[in-house]
Amino acid sequence: TQLLEQSPQFLSIQEGENLTVYCNSSSVFSSLQWYRQEPGEGPVLLVTVVTGGEVKKLKRLTFQFGDARKDSSLHITAAQPGDTGLYLCAGATGTASKLTFGTGTRLQVTL
Amino acid sequence: NAGVTQTPKFRVLKTGQSMTLLCAQDMNHEYMYWYRQDPGMGLRLIHYSVGEGTTAKGEVPDGYNVSRLKKQNFLLGLESAAPSQTSVYFCASTYYDRLGEQYFGPGTRLTVT
Repeated sequence: TQLLEQSPQFLSIQEGENLTVYCNSSSVFSSLQWYRQEPGEGPVLLVTVVTGGEVKKLKRLTFQFGDARKDSSLHITAAQPGDTGLYLCAGATGTASKLTFGTGTRLQVTL
Repeated sequence: NAGVTQTPKFRVLKTGQSMTLLCAQDMNHEYMYWYRQDPGMGLRLIHYSVGEGTTAKGEVPDGYNVSRLKKQNFLLGLESAAPSQTSVYFCASTYYDRLGEQYFGPGTRLTVT
């Protein structure tokens, strides 16, 4: 069974602070996604990274895929209350685009 | 364009009762998936389908059955509900070549007493 470990599990910060969330595995994935989930809703895709060492930016969010395609990080600059939510990483294996999800990082950004 | 929809949104069952959860997508996606989400455990794959008439087991298939009679619909059945099946259930879909970029429904919160 492939496992994806996310850290930290919980993060409570003030508006304007920076933060990094980590997603680690001993397995190699063909691609890795980051999703954000808000209470009572399904996860929404933020980004997909495919190539080892790849860096993608989405406004204040920076995503990086490890060189060996086993780990990833999400960095948020100047966090805002609208960033509050559950962040999930998920690794894809080749067959049927099945995803293995991490346990999630719950982020709370306060004023 | 409704995306992925799930019916019902909430349900309470007694142990031993049966029910079917319906997932529908209007994006012409080939692949569809059922997950369950429990506190501290992320999302775990129950069953999935790579096309109409096909189904396959995921990570936690015991106690569940599925059917994909039409491309746009994916049904999840619980024949004899158990308290361990209390969870939030999500359906997702994707194109066959989209690197795992899945689109999720809003979820069904199921409580088994």
